[in-house]
Amino acid sequence: EAQVTQNPRYLITVTGKKLTVTCSQNMNHEYMSWYRQDPGLGLRQIYYSMNVEVTDKGDVPEGYKVSRKEKRNFPLILESPSPNQTSLYFCASSFSGELFFGEGSRLTVL
Amino acid sequence: DQQVKQNSPSLSVQEGRISILNCDYTNSMFDYFLWYKKYPAEGPTFLISISSIKDKNEDGRFTVFLNKSAKHLSLHIVPSQPGDSAVYFCAASATTSEKLVFGKGTKLTVNP
Repeated sequence: EAQVTQNPRYLITVTGKKLTVTCSQNMNHEYMSWYRQDPGLGLRQIYYSMNVEVTDKGDVPEGYKVSRKEKRNFPLILESPSPNQTSLYFCASSFSGELFFGEGSRLTVL
Repeated sequence: DQQVKQNSPSLSVQEGRISILNCDYTNSMFDYFLWYKKYPAEGPTFLISISSIKDKNEDGRFTVFLNKSAKHLSLHIVPSQPGDSAVYFCAASATTSEKLVFGKGTKLTVNP
């Protein structure tokens, strides 16, 4: 089954404790992206990757890092999480402009 | 600057009636438009798309209309069903880029 898998789905953490949200897709897509969804703000792009070892900032990259060492994986790293990073995060991969989304990771930073 | 705008945060319709969700864009380079549907606790799922060479695309109960001169698109759902209750996101991109720009979403409620 074609899918984008994110882990963890839910996480509560404390300010400053580094965390990684993993994302894996099994569709051999070259393009992958991270979004955050916040009330009243819709989906905002954090980072994206056009292919292995090629990443670029989206609209709200501050406080996040990513890496793309393999085609299927695109982890999102929060080196020092802060409460304003409390959000719902979505990973997505794309073929020909159509994005396929994971189920989301709800992160709470206390 | 918001390049894709969905000016109605919410919409409520009766079952069996038509739902019309609207979207405006400002970037004239956009030439590919998509609608995504999102249920609570799930990721957005692709619903329907249209390229700028067309002004209408239909898929079952869902039709998307594009008015390039007005930089406006709309999604029509006929007839609306309670299962259509969800948040609908409009998105746009330029063929030169894979990047999708999303609107803020419209929450549709279809009442039985």
